[in-house]
Amino acid sequence: KQEVTQIPAALSVPEGENLVLNCSFTDSAIYNLQWFRQDPGKGLTSLLLIQSSQREQTSGRLNASLDKSSGRSTLYIAASQPGDSATYLCAVSRGAQKLVFGQGTRLTINP
Amino acid sequence: DAGITQSPRHKVTETGTPVTLRCHQTENHRYMYWYRQDPGHGLRLIHYSYGVKDTDKGEVSDGYSVSRSKTEDFLLTLESATSSQTSVYFCAISDGRDTDQPQHFGDGTRLSIL
Repeated sequence: KQEVTQIPAALSVPEGENLVLNCSFTDSAIYNLQWFRQDPGKGLTSLLLIQSSQREQTSGRLNASLDKSSGRSTLYIAASQPGDSATYLCAVSRGAQKLVFGQGTRLTINP
Repeated sequence: DAGITQSPRHKVTETGTPVTLRCHQTENHRYMYWYRQDPGHGLRLIHYSYGVKDTDKGEVSDGYSVSRSKTEDFLLTLESATSSQTSVYFCAISDGRDTDQPQHFGDGTRLSIL
């Protein structure tokens, strides 16, 4: 059974810092890995999708990497801003886009 | 934003009553999903659909049924609601089976069963 773990569960950093969020998964047979952002009381917003054949994806200040063999992904956020405060979720696709989610990292950026 | 509408957005009901949640999409995507989100468990897949009248079970399907009679609508039914089904329910859509496009999520339905 695929299990996804995100560490840390919560993170608080001052504005302007670069930071890394971690995601690990137990079964390397994945189709893709997706990072989402969730604001309180809201749905999920897709940030980045990395296909299993790819090593990384970038969007603006965000960079996600994937090491399928070791079952790890990281989300790098550069020059953090208070507006980046949210819960960040990673999920792996098992096919038919059935996603298995981690429990998320709650990020707070302090002005 | 992807055209996904969930209704109702909030519902409070009593144990033993039937409940139906609706997900409506305007994107004409083939795949639709129902997840529930609970503290300590994250999001878990309940059921999904890969076409009209084509559905399959997810990780936590017991106590739930689904129907999809039109491409745009995916219904989740709790035949006899229990307190353990108190949760936030999210609908998601995808345009393909093994796609390079991400899933898009609705804003959720907060369901409380007393």
